[in-house]
Amino acid sequence: GDSVTQMEGPVTLSEEAFLTINCTYTATGYPSLFWYVQYPGEGLQLLLKATKADDKGSNKGFEATYRKETTSFHLEKGSVQVSDSAVYFCALSDQTGANNLFFGTGTRLTVIP
Amino acid sequence: DAGVTQSPTHLIKTRGQQVTLRCSPKSGHDTVSWYQQALGQGPQFIFQYYEEEERQRGNFPDRFSGHQFPNYSSELNVNALLLGDSALYLCASSSLGVQRGQETQYFGPGTRLLVL
Repeated sequence: GDSVTQMEGPVTLSEEAFLTINCTYTATGYPSLFWYVQYPGEGLQLLLKATKADDKGSNKGFEATYRKETTSFHLEKGSVQVSDSAVYFCALSDQTGANNLFFGTGTRLTVIP
Repeated sequence: DAGVTQSPTHLIKTRGQQVTLRCSPKSGHDTVSWYQQALGQGPQFIFQYYEEEERQRGNFPDRFSGHQFPNYSSELNVNALLLGDSALYLCASSSLGVQRGQETQYFGPGTRLLVL
């Protein structure tokens, strides 16, 4: 079945450091891929998405490219800020029609000043 | 534009009791999905409602049931609560009218359920 494997955390970085959070997936067909972010005490917010191979999603300085050949969707940011501290979830949308989401286990990022 | 809203925000129940959680979708959305997020885990899909019917269901027992109303709002019911049902329950809304693959699910803040 469909699944997402996400880099385990937690990840601690200094402000302005480069961020990579790895995500690989297993799916039949051609899923859409997402990164969601969850700030403390809040629900999930969509960060970015990509719907087909080689698409690049980007938002708020974060980027991820849909790589079909490596079944990956790694999240990157060139210079993190303290306000980026949160839990990041990689997810895929199945293609059965309901388009429910399969999530990874999440990666907690802490950025220190 | 109001986003997805859920009520209540927190709830404490005891084993064996029943609970009802509520969700109002984002304006313009007609589809509601429910997810369970255990502590330290990613959300897991429970089921999805569209046109007042359950369209798809994840790997959850029949103790979990739902309903969608004509105004697209939805309820999640859990019977015979177990300790393991303690989790954050998230509601997400979307629009099936959007081209497939382009739709995005928008999440509410969740209801945190504690079963003692």
